[in-house]
Amino acid sequence: EVVLTQSPATLSLSPGERATLACRASQSISNYLAWYQQKPGQAPRLLIHDASNRATGIPDRFSGSGSGTDFTLTISSLEPEDFAVYYCQQRVTWPPLTFGGGTKVEI
Amino acid sequence: EVQLLESGGGLVQPGESLRLSCAASGFTFSNYAMTWVRQAPGKGLEWVSAISANGDGTYYTDSVKGRSTISRDNSKNTLFLQMNSLRAEDTAVYYCAKVLTPSSMNMVFDDWGQGTLVTVSS
Repeated sequence: EVVLTQSPATLSLSPGERATLACRASQSISNYLAWYQQKPGQAPRLLIHDASNRATGIPDRFSGSGSGTDFTLTISSLEPEDFAVYYCQQRVTWPPLTFGGGTKVEI
Repeated sequence: EVQLLESGGGLVQPGESLRLSCAASGFTFSNYAMTWVRQAPGKGLEWVSAISANGDGTYYTDSVKGRSTISRDNSKNTLFLQMNSLRAEDTAVYYCAKVLTPSSMNMVFDDWGQGTLVTVSS
């Protein structure tokens, strides 16, 4: 099973600041990594797939990078609606599909 | 517009069964693999099960294997998850989700339902 470790657990920032979220895989997963955003009481929302491809309708302030075992989600300038929990997910080796534990971006 | 609407959740006692449904609309359901993902209260996301577009391929996480069955009725655009021998640790919101790419098992989920809560407690 591929274990995904996200860091930090919580990121305290202000609107307009840059957010950098990390996801590390326990083994190489090539670029088969996705990022999701989840707000309280809502379903997850796909942001990025295959490490760096923005999903339809996702603003370009969201970007993803990395390959192998180390990945980054960057939000270039935080908007108020970006404060949420972010999860990474791998699909190279499954079952099981696995998610990271999440990073909460808070004000 | 893609819509996924889960139902069937509720309060059950340990050892009982539940059948979750996910009614799909706004896309050609029979072309897409589907999945169930759950989230225990205050916890992260956990993948539960997936099924291929035609239903021939089914996949489970170890903790539900042997106790759960995923299925689909492409004539009714509906996904199911039959859960038996429920345990307290199955308590979660259960989401159904659609994969991004038709006719594939690429396991990227671009559309999600709002979830249905399953509570297992005596």
